[in-house]
Amino acid sequence: GENVEQHPSTLSVQEGDSAVIKCTYSDSASNYFPWYKQELGKRPQLIIDIRSNVGEKKDQRIAVTLNKTAKHFSLHITETQPEDSAVYFCAASLNTGNQFYFGTGTSLTVIP
Amino acid sequence: GAVVSQHPSWVICKSGTSVKIECRSLDFQATTMFWYRQFPKQSLMLMATSNEGSKATYEQGVEKDKFLINHASLTLSTLTVTSAHPEDSSFYICSAIFYSNQPQHFGDGTRLSIL
Repeated sequence: GENVEQHPSTLSVQEGDSAVIKCTYSDSASNYFPWYKQELGKRPQLIIDIRSNVGEKKDQRIAVTLNKTAKHFSLHITETQPEDSAVYFCAASLNTGNQFYFGTGTSLTVIP
Repeated sequence: GAVVSQHPSWVICKSGTSVKIECRSLDFQATTMFWYRQFPKQSLMLMATSNEGSKATYEQGVEKDKFLINHASLTLSTLTVTSAHPEDSSFYICSAIFYSNQPQHFGDGTRLSIL
């Protein structure tokens, strides 16, 4: 089955700096890669996603890049704000079937 | 946007009790629902995938007789933790999708505490 690895597990940045979280996946058949933000005790919320036919996608301060050859994708948050502090999960979806496999999560702290 | 309602949000009960958790898609018909378990400061671990009208597909290591899943309609799936014990204490979250390869919409989760 699919194996998704995520790094780093914790990340602290100063407000206004950029944050980058990286994920790798093992199954080349995966073709959909969402990113979720989860605040403590709350539901994961989709913040951005990318499909395998696209190399990069941007939405305001958030961007995601995908390297299919290397099987890794990254989340980039620019001009970080304290409200960006949360746990971020990457995920990969197989081409067949509906399972999403999540990374281990990154706890992001933005220091004011 | 798509809304998934999960109930109850918090359950505290004695060891040996069976607990039922409901997951409803409120404004769309969910072809598939998923059940996850999340321990503190850890990732979401997929327990099972549930399609309406068919038996759930369980992930390796998940006891199907322990975690009973019923997906009777396109808007409702239930997870029953049978004869719960303290080690079953966890945060259980459901999610639903309208069709494959689309974003999952999550419920608010259920915090289960077994005494």
